[in-house]
Amino acid sequence: DIQMTQSPSSLSASVGDRVTITCRASQGITNYLAWFQQKPGKAPKSLIYAASSLQSGVPSKFSGSGSGTDFTLTISSLQPEDFATYYCQQYNSYPLTFGGGTKVEIK
Amino acid sequence: EVQLVESGGGLVQPGGSLRLSCAASGFTFSDHYMDWVRQAPGKGLEWVGRIRKKANSYTTEYAASVKGRFSISRDDSKNSLYLQMNSLKTEDTAVYYCARRGSTGEIDYWGQGTLVTVSS
Repeated sequence: DIQMTQSPSSLSASVGDRVTITCRASQGITNYLAWFQQKPGKAPKSLIYAASSLQSGVPSKFSGSGSGTDFTLTISSLQPEDFATYYCQQYNSYPLTFGGGTKVEIK
Repeated sequence: EVQLVESGGGLVQPGGSLRLSCAASGFTFSDHYMDWVRQAPGKGLEWVGRIRKKANSYTTEYAASVKGRFSISRDDSKNSLYLQMNSLKTEDTAVYYCARRGSTGEIDYWGQGTLVTVSS
C-alpha cells in the first residue's frame, strides 16, 4: 500500500497569512493526487485533483503543485472560512489512501 | 446539481449486519464509478471501497480492513449505491460517506454521511 504522510499535522495561522501544507507519498504516484477540505461536522469538499487542477468553483487562492512523491497545497491569503482540516489522497493505485490530515487553526 | 444522500446508518451489535444506501441525483449515475469512504470519530478519512460501472462489469475494490465482510453494489435503474456490512466490529464505528469518482479518476463529490455505531 502507498503511505501518504502530511506535514504538519496542525498549524496556527492568522487571517491573511500564506499557508503551505506538504504531502509525501511512499512511492511515486505521478500526479494522481487530490486535496480535500473538511470543516467540523461536515462532509469533505474536493479542492484539487491531478495535483494542481482546481475543482469547479474552488477559489484561486488555493493552489497545488508537485509530482512523483512530493506535493504541496498552498492557500495564498488565509480567510476565516479556510480554517479547517485538509487531507491529501492518492488515486494512483488500490487501495486508495489518505494522508492523516492537517488542521489549520486560528492564531 | 450533484446530490448524494446516504441512509441506513444506526446502532448495531458486534457481529451484526447493516446495509447503507446512497441515492444519487443531478448526474448520469450509470456513467460513474462510486466509492464509500469512512471516518471514525475524531479520526481521519479511510477509503472503504469502489464499484466500477457496467462497462467495467461492475467490478469492485476493497480496503483490506473490510474485504470479505463488506460488499458494494449498485442499481443503476434506481440511481442507488449500496454498502452491505456483515460481521461488524466495534472498529467499524464511523460516519460513512458515499462519493463519486470524477471522469479524471479523483473523488469529486461527497454525500453528507451516515453514522454507523457498532456497540453492545
